[in-house]
Amino acid sequence: AQKITQTQPGMFVQEKEAVTLDCTYDTSDQSYGLFWYKQPSSGEMIFLIYQGSYDEQNATEGRYSLNFQKARKSANLVISASQLGDSAMYFCAMRDWYSSASKIIFGSGTRLSIRP
Amino acid sequence: SQTIHQWPATLVQPVGSPLSLECTVEGTSNPNLYWYRQAAGRGLQLLFYSVGIGQISSEVPQNLSASRPQDRQFILSSKKLLLSDSGFYLCAWSVRGGREQYFGPGTRLTVT
Repeated sequence: AQKITQTQPGMFVQEKEAVTLDCTYDTSDQSYGLFWYKQPSSGEMIFLIYQGSYDEQNATEGRYSLNFQKARKSANLVISASQLGDSAMYFCAMRDWYSSASKIIFGSGTRLSIRP
Repeated sequence: SQTIHQWPATLVQPVGSPLSLECTVEGTSNPNLYWYRQAAGRGLQLLFYSVGIGQISSEVPQNLSASRPQDRQFILSSKKLLLSDSGFYLCAWSVRGGREQYFGPGTRLTVT
C-alpha cells in the first residue's frame, strides 16, 4: 500500500527566507507521481508542483522546487524567498499510477507560518 | 476553461437529519470525480470516486453515499447524519488518465 509521511506538523519561517517542507513516501510501484498542494485558510486546494518517478530533473515552478531523492523516497518542497502569502497548509501527495481513476493519497500536512 | 462548483459553502445540520452536497464541473467532459473529507487540522481522506455516470467506488465504509446522475454532477448524501460526519468536504475532478486533480471550494459541514 502507498503511504505519504509529513513529519513537520508546523513550521515558522522569517519572510524572505527559504523553507524546506519534508515528505517521504512508501510504494512498491516503479511508476508513480508526487504532488504538492497548498491549502490557504479559505480551504481550497491549490496544485503547486508535480514530479514523475522517471523524471530525471527535479521539478520547478517559479519559487517552488521539488527536491526528489528517489533512493531515499523523499520529495521535499523548497520555497525560495518566502512571502507572507505563503502561510498555509501544505500537503504532499502521491498518485496511484495504475489506477484508472487517478486516485491520489495525501499526507497529513504541514502548517507553514511566515513571520514578517 | 474548466471550473468546479460546490454548494452549499457552509451547512449546520442536526444529528439524524439527511444530507445532500452537490458538485458540478464545467468546461470538460467525462471527468473523473472525487469526494474527500478533511477533519479539522487533518489531511484529506478519499471517500468516493467515479469514472462515469452511475459508476461509484467507495473507499471507506460509512453512512455516506454518492451518486453521479449526470456526467458532470456528483452528489454526496446521507440519510441520517452523525456527529462524526462533521468536517470539510471537498469535491475534485481530473481528466481521464490525467495527472493532478482540481479541487472545488469545499463545503464546511457542522453536525450538532
